[in-house]
Amino acid sequence: AQSVTQPDIHITVSEGASLELRCNYSYGATPYLFWYVQSPGQGLQLLLKYFSGDTLVQGIKGFEAEFKRSQSSFNLRKPSVHWSDAAEYFCAVGGSSNTGKLIFGQGTTLQVKP
Amino acid sequence: GAGVSQSPSNKVTEKGKDVELRCDPISGHTALYWYRQSLGQGLEFLIYFQGNSAPDKSGLPSDRFSAERTGGSVSTLTIQRTQQEDSAVYLCASSLVGRVRTEAFFGQGTRLTVV
Repeated sequence: AQSVTQPDIHITVSEGASLELRCNYSYGATPYLFWYVQSPGQGLQLLLKYFSGDTLVQGIKGFEAEFKRSQSSFNLRKPSVHWSDAAEYFCAVGGSSNTGKLIFGQGTTLQVKP
Repeated sequence: GAGVSQSPSNKVTEKGKDVELRCDPISGHTALYWYRQSLGQGLEFLIYFQGNSAPDKSGLPSDRFSAERTGGSVSTLTIQRTQQEDSAVYLCASSLVGRVRTEAFFGQGTRLTVV
């Protein structure tokens, strides 16, 4: 069965520091992978997605993610974190190409220190 | 409106009561999804609608949960005889079509508290 693991429940970084949020997936075929962000009181917003091709994908708000098939990972990165990046981040895998159903990880809460 | 709208935004109910949660998808979106976000559980898929039919309802946790969609638009998620473990944020999403390559847009959710 498909699954997504986000090993870090909570991460704290200083403003201006680099960020990496980990995501590991389990999926039998070529996965469709996503990162979403949920700011307090807001719905989920898509940051970026990977379907095929270049394994380094760029997203909104200066985020990028790298797909590594050998490690079953899709880690999210940002070179310099801003205070407004404090939020909860969810990695997801497409559960079915025919329905758009998503399988989410448990989320990582990012706290940014001034 | 321009986005996915959910109502109410907050709902407090007594254990054993029935509740209805509403989702208004983006106009023209044929696919609609319900997810549940519980503390420490992440987001769990509940049900997927394509038009008015639900080809995937595999995530509904029990027969107390049901959902319908009418007119290919508004959807209602009903929880009967609510239990404390039903307390969660219920998120609705819609997309133009039900394909993984098509972006899903999420509402802000309904926070359900069962006391």
